[in-house]
Amino acid sequence: DTGVSQDPRHKITKRGQNVTFRCDPISEHNRLYWYRQTLGQGPEFLTYFQNEAQLEKSRLLSDRFSAERPKGSFSTLEIQRTEQGDSAMYLCASSLSPSETQYFGPGTRLLVL
Amino acid sequence: SQKIEQNSEALNIQEGKTATLTCNYTNYSPAYLQWYRQDPGRGPVFLLLIRENEKEKRKERLKVTFDTTLKQSLFHITASQPADSATYLCALDMTGGGNKLTFGTGTQLKVEL
Repeated sequence: DTGVSQDPRHKITKRGQNVTFRCDPISEHNRLYWYRQTLGQGPEFLTYFQNEAQLEKSRLLSDRFSAERPKGSFSTLEIQRTEQGDSAMYLCASSLSPSETQYFGPGTRLLVL
Repeated sequence: SQKIEQNSEALNIQEGKTATLTCNYTNYSPAYLQWYRQDPGRGPVFLLLIRENEKEKRKERLKVTFDTTLKQSLFHITASQPADSATYLCALDMTGGGNKLTFGTGTQLKVEL
């Protein structure tokens, strides 16, 4: 068990560019979550999947954000036309349904210039 | 919407003392309340979970209490060590069963020699 992994760990991009992040959950975990965390704040829920089905999306997830989990394993989070306000740490977590415990990855830190 | 309040000021204590962190919430009580530890630049790490029908939970040097009347949880670390220095996050699972978590802003703990 290697834990939840995220790639890349850091991303610097210019405003208006598209970025994509990847999350590999713990194997056999069927739930996968995305959160966003800004400095001095706790993580904020964005969306989660049960296998390949996206079950809930936060209103924080604007039309520029899209998440997928096509085969029920890894997931991608894409941000189109990035804005400076998108700068944050993007955290992925997974859990074994119906476990209450979510295991977090190290996060992807995004900086939009 | 649910609001979660944690002490925004850092808590400084001496090694060996007991650290007590507070988590207050508004509105209705969650099914589960969880505590996570987060080190700088890393994802949160699960510590303890307490259910709404439980008063207290212990794990080694950690203890969590949950008072649904006061809408408050207390998190204690006994015999604190410098290695306990981190930010501690309170998280609510409103419906139970491993759905999305709502986090507080966290309290930074510093344990000094």
